[in-house]
Amino acid sequence: QVQLVESGGGVVQPGRSLRLSCAVSGLTFSAYGMHWVRQAPGKGLEWLAVISYDGSNTLYADSEKGRISISRDNFKNTLYLQMNSLRPEDTAVYFCFARNGSLDYWGQGTLVTVSS
Amino acid sequence: SYELTQPPSVSVSPGQTARITCSGDALPKKYAYWYQQKSGQAPMLVIYEDTKRPSGIPERFSGSSSGTMATLTISGAQVDDEADYYCYSTDISGYHVFGTGTKVTVL
Repeated sequence: QVQLVESGGGVVQPGRSLRLSCAVSGLTFSAYGMHWVRQAPGKGLEWLAVISYDGSNTLYADSEKGRISISRDNFKNTLYLQMNSLRPEDTAVYFCFARNGSLDYWGQGTLVTVSS
Repeated sequence: SYELTQPPSVSVSPGQTARITCSGDALPKKYAYWYQQKSGQAPMLVIYEDTKRPSGIPERFSGSSSGTMATLTISGAQVDDEADYYCYSTDISGYHVFGTGTKVTVL
C-alpha cells in the first residue's frame, strides 16, 4: 500500500522558517519525480516545486523562487520543503505528490499556519 | 506567469453530461491532466495525458483536447461526482500549473 505522509506543519510566526517532510512508503521512491503543492483555506491548488527522481533537477513556481527549496533523500524515502521568511499568506495545507505516468499518489497534507 | 482558466462552476442534473473546460496557450503542445478533489480530501487523478483514464476511474470520465482547450466530460453524472475539479499542465518552459478550479454540482 502506497503511503505519503507529510509532517512538520504547525503554527509559525511571520518571518520564521519551516521545513516540511514527506515520508513515502510502498513504492520505489527513487523512480518518481516529487512535487509540493499547497492549498490556502477555501482556495484552489497552487503548484510550488518539483524535483526529479534523482534530485538532479528542480523547478519552482516563479512566485516562490528564492524563498523555498525542495530536496529529497532517496535513502530515507523522504521529500523535503524548506520555506523561509514565512508570511501570513503562506497559510495553507501543503501536499506532496508523486507521479510516474498514470501512477499518481498524494499525501493527506500538513497544515501550516503563519500567525503572530 | 502561465495560467489555466476554468469556469468557476458547472451544474448538472443526475444522469446528464457535465463538461468542464480548461484554457491555456500551451495546451496545443502540452498534456492536460485532471484532478477531482472532494471536500477535506487530497486530489485524485481522473484523466492523464489529455485522454487517458487511470485504473479504477469510472468510464463516465473522459478527456479531450483541441487547440488551446482541454475538456473533462462526465457522462451520466452521479451525485458522488460532486467535487472541485482542477486541470493541470505545464507551460512551454516546463513550469507546472493548476487551473483555477471548477465546482461541479449535481442536483
